[in-house]
Amino acid sequence: KNEVEQSPQNLTAQEGEFITINCSYSVGISALHWLQQHPGGGIVSLFMLSSGKKKHGRLIATINIQEKHSSLHITASHPRDSAVYICAVRSAPDKLIFGTGTRLQVFP
Amino acid sequence: EADIYQTPRYLVIGTGKKITLECSQTMGHDKMYWYQQDPGMELHLIHYSYGVNSTEKGDLSSESTVSRIRTEHFPLTLESARPSHTSQYLCASSPDRYGYTFGSGTRLTVV
Repeated sequence: KNEVEQSPQNLTAQEGEFITINCSYSVGISALHWLQQHPGGGIVSLFMLSSGKKKHGRLIATINIQEKHSSLHITASHPRDSAVYICAVRSAPDKLIFGTGTRLQVFP
Repeated sequence: EADIYQTPRYLVIGTGKKITLECSQTMGHDKMYWYQQDPGMELHLIHYSYGVNSTEKGDLSSESTVSRIRTEHFPLTLESARPSHTSQYLCASSPDRYGYTFGSGTRLTVV
């Protein structure tokens, strides 16, 4: 079993839909990252969380440390949101463990 | 704009050739990392550095080597490329325990 599990693996949506991607982890962490990877391969860091909730534009990320679970929400989804979303946790001693990603496609 | 630069973006090269993938960052970060990612798979750490003259191997065994002679520069070298080295290589840097900046990646194909 992977230490970081994401669901769903693949997700399709119509433009405007509210999207949720989930991440569960089984190790102790100091922080959790949500990353976005476009087809070209480059990665953009969206959020870094150690507790609570963060919001940036149409993106919202939450984390529940007790339940070892985080969610990434996209409100009013748009085709340009189509990408792979990766959850990564920072575990002791100081390394990132990555999920396999959620592939999102948003259709107009 | 990118503060961490990887070149080349794409590379197709023949078996047995020596290659160097470049990674440079302009943020003065001490920590730098190389990750390998096969298609549809998660990223795996292959090398990291905590500063000049510091290099360590990561979780995934790799035949590549790295050097860190300057803070801003962390190149990865394959002495003799093989088809099994075909993958995407991502460089990242971090100023502390938490924040990361990733490069755009180098997609390597060895034929």
